[in-house]
Amino acid sequence: KAGVTQTPRYLIKTRGQQVTLSCSPISGHRSVSWYQQTPGQGLQFLFEYFSETQRNKGNFPGRFSGRQFSNSRSEMNVSTLELGDSALYLCASSPRWPGELFFGEGSRLTVL
Amino acid sequence: DQQVKQNSPSLSVQEGRISILNCDYTNSMFDYFLWYKKYPAEGPTFLISISSIKDKNEDGRFTVFLNKSAKHLSLHIVPSQPGDSAVYFCAASSRGIIQGAQKLVFGQGTRLTINP
Repeated sequence: KAGVTQTPRYLIKTRGQQVTLSCSPISGHRSVSWYQQTPGQGLQFLFEYFSETQRNKGNFPGRFSGRQFSNSRSEMNVSTLELGDSALYLCASSPRWPGELFFGEGSRLTVL
Repeated sequence: DQQVKQNSPSLSVQEGRISILNCDYTNSMFDYFLWYKKYPAEGPTFLISISSIKDKNEDGRFTVFLNKSAKHLSLHIVPSQPGDSAVYFCAASSRGIIQGAQKLVFGQGTRLTINP
């Protein structure tokens, strides 16, 4: 069974640009969530989607947004990039809760 | 306000001995706890979980203990193996308003090094 797939794995952007990250969950998993990992703040919850609806949102500014498609694939977008947005963005899927989250390998974003 | 804390940034253990990783939490609404292991350049990998109705859960070499009164959980790895060297994160979740909606609050992680 294929795991959670995230693309792109690495990308470099400049301040003010926007970025879109993509996540394909494990087949059959309808819940997709996103986390940001930085050295200073650790792993922080961004948002969670289920059946194309955002069910939960973390404490991030409105520049961070996401969506989920009918096939459960998800994208997250960060607009007007800032240097502090440099991080590893992790996507996770889950078949049920409580249970476990299955994480992808992440998309490493560097903002210059 | 850090609701989940791992106070030891690093831990070094001899191969074959027991590794004990600790985690404290402040939110009494947390009712589900998980441990994840992370290697560099990879996503976190689930290890073991425990519901607040239990005080112990065991899976092979891994055992998680939950002390609700102290708001403390620990992960025991015995015997420790070199492949266990990684960063370990504890995470907590509470039942939200929306049924099934899940959000994990992670600790800062503990880097475990197993010495041969």
